[in-house]
Order: sequence, then C-alpha cells, then structure tokens
Amino acid sequence: DTGVSQDPRHKITKRGQNVTFRCDPISEHNRLYWYRQTLGQGPEFLTYFQNEAQLEKSRLLSDRFSAERPKGSFSTLEIQRTEQRDSAMYRCASSYGTAGVNTDTQYFGPGTRLTVL
Amino acid sequence: SQKIEQNSEALNIQEGKTATLTCNYTNYSPAYLQWYRQDPGRGPVFLLLIRENEKEKRKERLKVTFDTTLKQSLFHITASQPADSATYLCALDFGNEKLTFGTGTRLTIIP
Repeated sequence: DTGVSQDPRHKITKRGQNVTFRCDPISEHNRLYWYRQTLGQGPEFLTYFQNEAQLEKSRLLSDRFSAERPKGSFSTLEIQRTEQRDSAMYRCASSYGTAGVNTDTQYFGPGTRLTVL
Repeated sequence: SQKIEQNSEALNIQEGKTATLTCNYTNYSPAYLQWYRQDPGRGPVFLLLIRENEKEKRKERLKVTFDTTLKQSLFHITASQPADSATYLCALDFGNEKLTFGTGTRLTIIP
C-alpha cells in the first residue's frame, strides 16, 4: 500500500503520560499536515510542514503538542502530559505542492485513535 | 472566526434520486472549496475542488457549485446509489495550504 500510513492505529494512555505518533506520507509528497478529529466533527487543522520546515501551527494548539519532520519524510506528533480532552483521532495527510500553485489535494491516513484515561 | 455549516447532520435519499448537500460559510470567501468523502473508520478522500471564479464543476455523477455572493456551495450526486452512503465534508481553502473543514453531512441512500 503506497498511501499515507500512521502508527500506532490505537493508543490508550493514562492522564499525564507522554505519547508519540508517527506518520509516513506518500513518498513523493513534500507537504505534510496533522489534524485532530472528534466524533461528529470534521478534521481540525493542527500543523503543517513543507519538507522539513514547520510553516504553520494552529493558535488553538497547546504548548504540550509538538511535531517534527526531521528529514522531510516521516513526521512525529508528540503530546506531553496528556489530558482527557486530548482523546481524539489524530490524522495525518500529505500532498504534493507545486511552486506557484497554492492549493493541492490532501491524502489522508487512517489515523491514530488516542484514548486518555 | 470563520464558521462553516453543512446541512442537517443526516440526509436520507431514495436510490436513483439526486442528493443535494449544502455548505454555507461566514466571513471571507475562500480561494477554493473542496469536497471530501469519509467512510466510517477511514480518513477523508478528496472528491472535487472548485475555484472562487468557477460557478460549477462536474465529475461523473458529481456536481459542485460555488456562489461567493450567497457564501454557499452545493454538492449534488445524481442517480444516487447505496454505495454513495457516507459522510461528506466541505473544506474551505484560502490558498494557504491548510483546510478548514465543516462538520459533515451523513448521507444514506435507501434502496
């Protein structure tokens, strides 16, 4: 399967623990996005990378959240000191952005479901 | 802040009829508007993109319109089939690479 993959698919943790999720985008894609989705809602933008540079981070995102894309390929999203309200589906998406074209099709991964007890 | 409303949470349509889903937004019109399909337990899948200067876009049985005066997009599925049952999400794209999604409409096509 050459689509976007995420690992793990499910994570259960206790409040206060740190968790890290991984996203492997489609190999030739230079843009990578993280979204959070709760039941009955659409995905909510968290942050975005172009190659290894993090270009935008949602103002709604707590300082407990950090993301990296060290080599411009896979990305990790870490949540420190998890809280129950962090429970959600965390989705990664990737796209191939072309210079001078400021829109593209995003391809979503299956998501990591986080449950904070 | 930008608000997006998609018509009623759930929509039931008889097989063979046209399903029409609405997406209304407030404030600024986006440069583009995208529609995605999401099946239970899966990530959203891109369907169509329409630019602010386009009135209509078609792809097979799908048609999207975009009215920046009304601040509304309509998504039509003609000759609907049970396999079209899914949640459909509209997303505003201001040309800054991040999408702002609506809450989605759960469409059920009844055989």
